[in-house]
Amino acid sequence: EIVLTQSPGTLSLSPGERATLSCRASQSVGSSHLAWYQQKPGQAPRLLIYGASSRATGIPDRFSGSGSGTDFTLTISRLEPEDFAVYYCQQYGSSPPLTFGGGTKVEIK
Amino acid sequence: EVQLVESGGGLVQPGGSLRLSCAASAFTFSSYSMNWVRQAPGKGLEWVSHISSGSSTIYYADSVKGRFTISRDNAKNSLSLQMNSLRAEDTAVYYCGRFYNYYIDVWGKGTTVTVSS
Repeated sequence: EIVLTQSPGTLSLSPGERATLSCRASQSVGSSHLAWYQQKPGQAPRLLIYGASSRATGIPDRFSGSGSGTDFTLTISRLEPEDFAVYYCQQYGSSPPLTFGGGTKVEIK
Repeated sequence: EVQLVESGGGLVQPGGSLRLSCAASAFTFSSYSMNWVRQAPGKGLEWVSHISSGSSTIYYADSVKGRFTISRDNAKNSLSLQMNSLRAEDTAVYYCGRFYNYYIDVWGKGTTVTVSS
């Protein structure tokens, strides 16, 4: 089973700053198999990035994903007030088919 | 609008059973695999179960294997999760999600399950 480790656990930043979130896999993950989600309090997760670097429909271009193999990154170029949330990475594998990282909370500094 | 709506959550005693449902609308439900994902209070996301479009392939997380059963009715655009022998650690918000390629592209708002005496 592939384990996803997200870091940092919490990121304290100000609006307008750049956020860099890391997702490290215990084994190599196919780039097409890595996704990122955003979750705000009391809401369901929302798909942000799929295939490691493709933005989902309606996602602003300040969100970008990169990486390959075992190291993946979600970058928010300039934080907007609505971006403060928890972010999860997810990988698709054979068994189990889906695993999630533990999440990174982006909070207002 | 593509939509998933979960129902069936509630308070149940340890050892009890509950059946969750997920109603799909505005897309061809029979063409998509579906998943259940849960989130315990204050915790992260945990994948629970997966069912292929025609029900031929089913997976469960080890934590629920033998206790939970996923099923679907493509004629009714409906997904279900039968949960038996419930434990306190099954307390969570349960989300159904549409599986597309290698990720969940549509999520329901969730239904809350509380296992407590």
